[in-house]
Amino acid sequence: DTEVTQTPKHLVMGMTNKKSLKCEQHMGHRAMYWYKQKAKKPPELMFVYSYEKLSINESVPSRFSPECPNSSLLNLHLHALQPEDSALYLCASSHRGGRELFFGSGTQLSVL
Amino acid sequence: TQLLEQSPQFLSIQEGENLTVYCNSSSVFSSLQWYRQEPGEGPVLLVTVVTGGEVKKLKRLTFQFGDARKDSSLHITAAQTGDTGLYLCAGRSFYNQGGKLIFGQGTELSVKP
Repeated sequence: DTEVTQTPKHLVMGMTNKKSLKCEQHMGHRAMYWYKQKAKKPPELMFVYSYEKLSINESVPSRFSPECPNSSLLNLHLHALQPEDSALYLCASSHRGGRELFFGSGTQLSVL
Repeated sequence: TQLLEQSPQFLSIQEGENLTVYCNSSSVFSSLQWYRQEPGEGPVLLVTVVTGGEVKKLKRLTFQFGDARKDSSLHITAAQTGDTGLYLCAGRSFYNQGGKLIFGQGTELSVKP
């Protein structure tokens, strides 16, 4: 299995809602990532988990809260988002320190 | 700050034409990857180049890594409409191999029938 699976595919939420994005991989990768991507721009790193511990937080606002329940799962909890947070949210995985990322198909998030 | 500068940013061509996308830096990279991303999907890894001067071919796509490992190019021969998408180069600096992956700004390719 060489896939990274993200759910949901699309999400529309109001600024007062709480929602979660989910990501799963079964490639045995020990590093997992959340990226944010605006249209036609490169992905921007948000968080990195290595061996289920948060290793990098790119100064992301606290309204985004990551969680890594186990080595295969990665969640991103969303609360009180702003319209400017609307974007494609990508999950990726790699071997620890690996140079190649395997991306999921993303969650297209719209904040109204 | 290590940067990867990609050019051109936008490219619109007719089916059957050839094209080259460039990815340049003033820093040395331990490896570079090329990804292709279709609208509404995540980036898909096309290739990794590791050795200076390396050339890799993937059907009609040819990837080169510069001798000094500071630049890379992607050449597409006889482009097809299915080649349309956002092309991204990415890599980690040779001097900060535990650091985050650096992405170029991307090249938006449109191949018209």
